[in-house]
Amino acid sequence: AQSVAQPEDQVNVAEGNPLTVKCTYSVSGNPYLFWYVQYPNRGLQFLLKYITGDNLVKGSYGFEAEFNKSQTSFHLKKPSALVSDSALYFCAVRGFSGGYNKLIFGAGTRLAVHP
Amino acid sequence: GAGVSQSPSNKVTEKGKDVELRCDPISGHTALYWYRQSLGQGLEFLIYFQGNSAPDKSGLPSDRFSAERTGGSVSTLTIQRTQQEDSAVYLCASSLGGYSPLHFGNGTRLTVT
Repeated sequence: AQSVAQPEDQVNVAEGNPLTVKCTYSVSGNPYLFWYVQYPNRGLQFLLKYITGDNLVKGSYGFEAEFNKSQTSFHLKKPSALVSDSALYFCAVRGFSGGYNKLIFGAGTRLAVHP
Repeated sequence: GAGVSQSPSNKVTEKGKDVELRCDPISGHTALYWYRQSLGQGLEFLIYFQGNSAPDKSGLPSDRFSAERTGGSVSTLTIQRTQQEDSAVYLCASSLGGYSPLHFGNGTRLTVT
């Protein structure tokens, strides 16, 4: 069965510092990986995805993520954090399981960027 | 353009009553998902519709939960004999299918008293 793990419930970063939000996955076959963000009192928004090709993918709002097949990881990164980046971040994986290829989300990581 | 629309935005019901939650996906989107989110926590997969294929119901927590998608468009999630543990935000999302990103609605906040 497919699964996603986000080992950190919360990540605290000072504004201007680099940030990393961790994600590891388990899936049969090729993984298709996504990051979504949920700002306070707003719906979930798509940030970026990895399907194939370059292991470093760039997305919205200056975020990027690196696919590492050997470590089964897809960590989200940003070189310089902004206070406005504070939100709930979800990693998701789509893989073939039980005849379907549904999208499964991790438990989420709350990012707090302090001035 | 119009996004995914969910109604009602809030629903308060008494334990034991039935509720229906509605989702209007983006026009032309063939894939539709229902998820449940409790108290700002993770997203729990409930059900997935893809075109005319049989839906993936593997995430429905009990037989009190059911969903249908009429004409490949509007979807209704029904919870029968609601329990307090059903209280959560129910999120609907649609996409063009394949590996296209999901577009989420703003959710229905269900409170069972």
